[in-house]
Amino acid sequence: GESVGLHLPTLSVQEGDNSIINCAYSNSASDYFIWYKQESGKGPQFIIDIRSNMDKRQGQRVTVLLNKTVKHLSLQIAATQPGDSAVYFCAEKAGYGGATNKLIFGTGTLLAVQP
Amino acid sequence: DTGVSQDPRHKITKRGQNVTFRCDPISEHNRLYWYRQTLGQGPEFLTYFQNEAQLEKSRLLSDRFSAERPKGSFSTLEIQRTEQGDSAMYLCASSDRQGANTEAFFGQGTRLTVV
Repeated sequence: GESVGLHLPTLSVQEGDNSIINCAYSNSASDYFIWYKQESGKGPQFIIDIRSNMDKRQGQRVTVLLNKTVKHLSLQIAATQPGDSAVYFCAEKAGYGGATNKLIFGTGTLLAVQP
Repeated sequence: DTGVSQDPRHKITKRGQNVTFRCDPISEHNRLYWYRQTLGQGPEFLTYFQNEAQLEKSRLLSDRFSAERPKGSFSTLEIQRTEQGDSAMYLCASSDRQGANTEAFFGQGTRLTVV
Protein backbone atom coordinates (compact mmCIF):
# COMPACT_ATOMS: atom_id res chain seq x y z
CA GLY A 1 0.00 0.00 0.00
CA GLU A 2 0.92 3.63 -0.15
CA SER A 3 3.06 5.24 2.48
CA VAL A 4 1.20 8.14 4.03
CA GLY A 5 2.70 10.62 6.45
CA LEU A 6 1.36 10.88 9.98
CA HIS A 7 0.96 14.64 9.72
CA LEU A 8 -2.58 15.57 8.82
CA PRO A 9 -3.12 18.52 6.51
CA THR A 10 -4.78 21.26 8.55
CA LEU A 11 -7.19 23.96 7.50
CA SER A 12 -7.67 26.76 9.99
CA VAL A 13 -10.62 29.09 9.48
CA GLN A 14 -12.42 31.80 11.39
CA GLU A 15 -15.90 31.13 12.66
CA GLY A 16 -18.41 32.32 10.10
CA ASP A 17 -16.07 31.98 7.14
CA ASN A 18 -16.57 29.42 4.40
CA SER A 19 -14.31 26.37 4.34
CA ILE A 20 -13.12 24.40 1.35
CA ILE A 21 -11.56 20.99 1.87
CA ASN A 22 -9.96 19.29 -1.10
CA CYS A 23 -9.36 15.67 -1.97
CA ALA A 24 -7.62 13.97 -4.88
CA TYR A 25 -8.86 10.48 -5.60
CA SER A 26 -6.90 7.77 -7.29
CA ASN A 27 -9.17 5.53 -9.32
CA SER A 28 -10.72 6.79 -12.53
CA ALA A 29 -13.21 3.91 -12.28
CA SER A 30 -14.60 5.22 -9.00
CA ASP A 31 -18.19 6.29 -9.45
CA TYR A 32 -19.40 7.06 -5.97
CA PHE A 33 -17.89 9.42 -3.44
CA ILE A 34 -18.65 10.27 0.15
CA TRP A 35 -17.45 12.90 2.59
CA TYR A 36 -17.22 11.87 6.22
CA LYS A 37 -16.61 13.93 9.35
CA GLN A 38 -14.77 12.32 12.24
CA GLU A 39 -14.53 13.82 15.69
CA SER A 40 -11.95 12.64 18.17
CA GLY A 41 -12.73 9.20 19.57
CA LYS A 42 -15.77 8.69 17.35
CA GLY A 43 -16.55 6.83 14.16
CA PRO A 44 -16.83 8.62 10.81
CA GLN A 45 -20.13 10.43 10.31
CA PHE A 46 -21.71 10.66 6.86
CA ILE A 47 -21.98 14.23 5.54
CA ILE A 48 -22.83 14.08 1.85
CA ASP A 49 -22.34 11.87 -1.17
CA ILE A 50 -22.18 12.30 -4.92
CA ARG A 51 -22.29 9.98 -7.91
CA SER A 52 -20.01 10.31 -10.89
CA ASN A 53 -22.85 11.38 -13.16
CA MET A 54 -23.07 14.62 -11.20
CA ASP A 55 -20.58 17.42 -10.71
CA LYS A 56 -22.24 19.22 -7.81
CA ARG A 57 -24.54 18.34 -4.97
CA GLN A 58 -25.77 20.53 -2.15
CA GLY A 59 -26.86 19.73 1.36
CA GLN A 60 -27.50 21.82 4.40
CA ARG A 61 -24.53 24.23 4.61
CA VAL A 62 -22.40 21.79 2.59
CA THR A 63 -21.68 21.44 -1.11
CA VAL A 64 -19.64 18.75 -2.80
CA LEU A 65 -17.99 19.38 -6.15
CA LEU A 66 -16.64 16.62 -8.36
CA ASN A 67 -14.18 17.14 -11.20
CA LYS A 68 -13.67 13.80 -12.90
CA THR A 69 -11.23 15.22 -15.44
CA VAL A 70 -8.61 15.83 -12.78
CA LYS A 71 -9.98 13.34 -10.24
CA HIS A 72 -10.66 15.99 -7.65
CA LEU A 73 -13.34 16.29 -5.02
CA SER A 74 -14.03 19.22 -2.74
CA LEU A 75 -16.26 19.88 0.24
CA GLN A 76 -17.47 23.40 0.88
CA ILE A 77 -18.87 24.30 4.29
CA ALA A 78 -20.73 27.57 4.51
CA ALA A 79 -20.60 29.75 7.63
CA THR A 80 -18.25 27.41 9.46
CA GLN A 81 -19.08 26.85 13.12
CA PRO A 82 -16.95 25.61 16.04
CA GLY A 83 -18.89 22.35 15.92
CA ASP A 84 -17.51 21.74 12.45
CA SER A 85 -14.03 21.24 13.90
CA ALA A 86 -13.06 17.66 13.07
CA VAL A 87 -11.11 15.54 10.60
CA TYR A 88 -12.77 15.28 7.21
CA PHE A 89 -12.25 12.29 4.94
CA CYS A 90 -13.23 11.77 1.36
CA ALA A 91 -13.94 8.19 0.32
CA GLU A 92 -14.35 6.63 -3.10
CA LYS A 93 -15.99 3.46 -4.29
CA ALA A 94 -15.36 1.83 -7.60
CA GLY A 95 -17.86 -0.10 -9.62
CA TYR A 96 -21.33 0.83 -8.49
CA GLY A 97 -23.29 -2.36 -8.11
CA GLY A 98 -20.29 -4.20 -9.44
CA ALA A 99 -17.04 -5.74 -8.42
CA THR A 100 -16.37 -4.10 -5.10
CA ASN A 101 -18.21 -2.52 -2.27
CA LYS A 102 -15.31 -1.24 -0.25
CA LEU A 103 -14.69 2.41 0.37
CA ILE A 104 -11.17 3.75 -0.08
CA PHE A 105 -10.45 6.66 2.21
CA GLY A 106 -8.15 9.59 1.66
CA THR A 107 -5.68 10.88 4.22
CA GLY A 108 -8.02 13.32 5.90
CA THR A 109 -7.92 17.03 6.61
CA LEU A 110 -8.13 18.53 10.07
CA LEU A 111 -10.50 21.51 10.12
CA ALA A 112 -9.82 23.87 13.01
CA VAL A 113 -12.39 26.59 13.52
CA GLN A 114 -11.14 29.62 15.41
CA PRO A 115 -13.74 31.58 17.42
CA ASP B 1 -32.13 1.12 17.10
CA THR B 2 -30.79 4.22 15.47
CA GLY B 3 -27.23 3.36 14.57
CA VAL B 4 -24.41 0.86 14.32
CA SER B 5 -23.41 -0.45 17.72
CA GLN B 6 -20.00 -1.83 18.59
CA ASP B 7 -18.85 -3.59 21.72
CA PRO B 8 -16.61 -3.13 23.58
CA ARG B 9 -15.64 0.50 23.02
CA HIS B 10 -12.19 -0.09 24.42
CA LYS B 11 -10.08 -3.21 24.86
CA ILE B 12 -6.62 -3.55 26.36
CA THR B 13 -5.01 -6.92 25.95
CA LYS B 14 -1.63 -8.52 26.38
CA ARG B 15 0.32 -9.55 23.34
CA GLY B 16 -0.50 -13.09 22.34
CA GLN B 17 -4.06 -13.05 23.67
CA ASN B 18 -7.14 -13.48 21.52
CA VAL B 19 -9.79 -10.78 21.32
CA THR B 20 -13.27 -10.67 19.83
CA PHE B 21 -15.29 -7.63 18.88
CA ARG B 22 -18.97 -7.44 18.12
CA CYS B 23 -20.90 -5.24 15.71
CA ASP B 24 -24.66 -4.81 15.52
CA PRO B 25 -25.58 -3.08 12.26
CA ILE B 26 -28.57 -0.89 11.60
CA SER B 27 -31.65 -3.09 11.50
CA GLU B 28 -32.32 -4.63 8.10
CA HIS B 29 -29.07 -3.40 6.61
CA ASN B 30 -27.86 -6.35 4.61
CA ARG B 31 -24.30 -5.11 4.08
CA LEU B 32 -21.73 -5.00 6.84
CA TYR B 33 -18.13 -3.84 6.69
CA TRP B 34 -15.11 -3.94 8.98
CA TYR B 35 -12.40 -1.30 8.75
CA ARG B 36 -9.28 -0.60 10.74
CA GLN B 37 -8.01 2.87 11.51
CA THR B 38 -4.66 3.87 12.98
CA LEU B 39 -3.82 7.29 14.33
CA GLY B 40 -3.68 9.97 11.67
CA GLN B 41 -4.88 7.68 8.90
CA GLY B 42 -8.15 7.09 7.13
CA PRO B 43 -10.02 3.84 7.72
CA GLU B 44 -8.68 0.83 5.80
CA PHE B 45 -11.05 -1.81 4.49
CA LEU B 46 -10.77 -5.26 6.06
CA THR B 47 -13.80 -7.27 4.98
CA TYR B 48 -17.38 -7.09 3.74
CA PHE B 49 -20.49 -9.21 4.25
CA GLN B 50 -23.69 -9.29 2.31
CA ASN B 51 -26.15 -10.99 4.63
CA GLU B 52 -24.20 -13.94 6.05
CA ALA B 53 -21.82 -14.30 3.11
CA GLN B 54 -18.32 -12.87 3.39
CA LEU B 55 -17.83 -11.56 -0.13
CA GLU B 56 -14.65 -9.55 0.04
CA LYS B 57 -11.48 -9.64 2.15
CA SER B 58 -8.50 -7.34 2.16
CA ARG B 59 -4.94 -8.56 2.04
CA LEU B 60 -4.64 -6.73 5.36
CA LEU B 61 -6.72 -9.50 6.89
CA SER B 62 -4.04 -11.98 7.90
CA ASP B 63 -4.82 -15.53 8.95
CA ARG B 64 -4.91 -14.34 12.57
CA PHE B 65 -8.06 -12.39 11.75
CA SER B 66 -11.44 -13.98 11.23
CA ALA B 67 -14.84 -12.40 10.82
CA GLU B 68 -18.25 -14.00 10.89
CA ARG B 69 -21.85 -12.96 10.41
CA PRO B 70 -23.64 -16.23 11.10
CA LYS B 71 -27.26 -15.13 10.85
CA GLY B 72 -26.83 -12.14 8.63
CA SER B 73 -27.39 -9.74 11.51
CA PHE B 74 -24.58 -9.04 14.01
CA SER B 75 -20.95 -9.74 13.16
CA THR B 76 -17.86 -10.65 15.15
CA LEU B 77 -14.22 -9.93 14.39
CA GLU B 78 -11.68 -12.10 16.16
CA ILE B 79 -7.96 -11.49 16.32
CA GLN B 80 -5.85 -14.40 17.48
CA ARG B 81 -2.39 -14.12 19.00
CA THR B 82 -2.55 -10.34 19.07
CA GLU B 83 0.53 -8.32 18.20
CA GLN B 84 1.37 -4.74 19.10
CA GLY B 85 0.85 -3.78 15.47
CA ASP B 86 -2.80 -4.77 15.83
CA SER B 87 -3.37 -1.75 18.06
CA ALA B 88 -5.89 0.39 16.22
CA MET B 89 -9.51 1.47 16.09
CA TYR B 90 -11.69 -1.23 14.56
CA LEU B 91 -14.72 0.24 12.86
CA CYS B 92 -17.86 -1.47 11.70
CA ALA B 93 -20.24 0.01 9.14
CA SER B 94 -23.48 -1.07 7.53
CA SER B 95 -25.41 -0.09 4.45
CA ASP B 96 -28.60 -0.96 2.67
CA ARG B 97 -28.42 -1.54 -1.05
CA GLN B 98 -32.17 -1.09 -1.35
CA GLY B 99 -32.97 2.29 -2.81
CA ALA B 100 -30.70 4.95 -4.19
CA ASN B 101 -28.56 5.61 -1.14
CA THR B 102 -25.69 3.30 -0.51
CA GLU B 103 -23.75 5.30 2.03
CA ALA B 104 -22.17 3.31 4.83
CA PHE B 105 -22.97 4.30 8.39
CA PHE B 106 -20.22 3.74 10.91
CA GLY B 107 -20.28 2.72 14.52
CA GLN B 108 -18.20 4.38 17.21
CA GLY B 109 -15.50 1.77 16.90
CA THR B 110 -13.59 -0.49 19.26
CA ARG B 111 -10.20 0.85 20.26
CA LEU B 112 -7.74 -2.00 20.74
CA THR B 113 -4.50 -1.53 22.63
CA VAL B 114 -2.07 -4.43 22.68
CA VAL B 115 0.54 -4.16 25.43
